[in-house]
Amino acid sequence: GENVEQHPSTLSVQEGDSAVIKCTYSDSASNYFPWYKQELGKRPQLIIDIRSNVGEKKDQRIAVTLNKTAKHFSLHITETQPEDSAVYFCAALPFSGGYNKLIFGAGTRLAVHP
Amino acid sequence: NAGVTQTPKFQVLKTGQSMTLQCAQDMNHNSMYWYRQDPGMGLRLIYYSASEGTTDKGEVPNGYNVSRLNKREFSLRLESAAPSQTSVYFCASSEEVGAPSWEQYFGPGTRLTVT
Repeated sequence: GENVEQHPSTLSVQEGDSAVIKCTYSDSASNYFPWYKQELGKRPQLIIDIRSNVGEKKDQRIAVTLNKTAKHFSLHITETQPEDSAVYFCAALPFSGGYNKLIFGAGTRLAVHP
Repeated sequence: NAGVTQTPKFQVLKTGQSMTLQCAQDMNHNSMYWYRQDPGMGLRLIYYSASEGTTDKGEVPNGYNVSRLNKREFSLRLESAAPSQTSVYFCASSEEVGAPSWEQYFGPGTRLTVT
C-alpha cells in the first residue's frame, strides 16, 4: 500500500526566513497531494493542495511543488511569521477505487522565532 | 454552519470499558472518516464511510466499530477499551473523489485516555 515519508520532523527558522518541508510517496498512481496545518490543540486544516496534472501551485506565501517522476512533493513557506508555527502534515491519495482515503505523513513541527 | 462537530471533547476510560464517540456534519458531504492521531505518527485512518449505509476499514480498524447512522452522523465505538487506544480521535468529512473539491474537513477532536 501507499507509504508517505515526511522530512524533517522538526524545523526551526527565524522570522522572515523560508521553510521547506519535503514528502515522498511510494504509489505512482497517487494523484492528489494536500497539505494540512495543525496549530497546538486545534484541528488540522487544509492550506494548499495539488493534483497530479500540475507541477506547482502557489497561494500568497505558500507554494507546493510536485515531481511525479521522483515521487516527491514539497511545501515552501516564504517570509515566515510567528503565526506559521504549527505542525504541518503532507498526504497522498493513492488509487483506491474512487474513494478519498488519504495517507498522511508523520508531520513536521515548524517553529518560527521572532 | 457548524461544520464537523464531535462529542465528547475529553474522556477517561478504564481498561475494558466501552464508549461511543459521536460525529456529525452539516455540509451535506457523502464521505466521512475516523482518524486517530498519536505523537510522531500523523493521522491514521480507522474507518471510512463513502455514503450512508456503507463503511470500510482503514489502516488501523482493530478494536473499533462504526455506524453511519444517516448522511450527517458517523459514530465510532470502542467495545473493550485498551491502553493502546489512548489517542486523539478526529472525525472528518468530504466530498467524494470526482467532486470539484476533495478537501477533508476535520472536527475538533476527542482526547481519550484509557487507564
